[in-house]
Amino acid sequence: QVQLVESGGGVVQPGRSLRLSCAASGFTFSIYTIHWVRQAPGRGLEWVALISYDGINTYYTDSVKGRFTISRDNSKNTLYLQMNGLRAEDTAVYYCARSDGYNRGFDYWGQGTLVTVSS
Amino acid sequence: DIQMTQSPSSLSASVGDRVTITCRASQSISSYLNWYQQKPGKAPKLLIYATSSLQSGVPSRFSGSGSGTDFTLTISSLQPEDFATYYCQRSYSAFTFGPGTKVDVK
Repeated sequence: QVQLVESGGGVVQPGRSLRLSCAASGFTFSIYTIHWVRQAPGRGLEWVALISYDGINTYYTDSVKGRFTISRDNSKNTLYLQMNGLRAEDTAVYYCARSDGYNRGFDYWGQGTLVTVSS
Repeated sequence: DIQMTQSPSSLSASVGDRVTITCRASQSISSYLNWYQQKPGKAPKLLIYATSSLQSGVPSRFSGSGSGTDFTLTISSLQPEDFATYYCQRSYSAFTFGPGTKVDVK
């Protein structure tokens, strides 16, 4: 069955870096666009970034541009999110999610990993 | 940027009620609109994509309609497992979510 499993969350000081991973299984990872979506405590969902199936195209929400980098290793069925210059407002549960193209919604999600930015 | 709004922000309903949630885009997004359900501590679940297409495995009591700027999610007969928060999301060229609508017990 399709599974997405995030890891790498934790507590980090403002200005520091963290790398999240999302391990995929149960489907052909290399043909799907994958996204990162976050949810601050008690708040709504915020789309963060996407990477195309081949890793060539990446897009980011404005608030993370220049600080976060999404990447993937199709040989390892793994997605990454490198987060630099972390701010308190980046505190959230981070989910990876799969989409079949750009107009069919995010059909599978991971369970999420919590990132807390605090001194 | 196109903004997404939802109304109401919360509603109280009873099992068996017909529930309608509205999502509005600040500019036309054609039919590029999805709906999700989220329960506390869980990842969101895709219900409807492309305005009205029911995701596989989702009960037929859920339906979506609309186009352009105004969209609705309807639950024809609310079931106990449907108490949750519902989000709309635009897609295709951007993936902004609406602020959510919490459906709780009346």
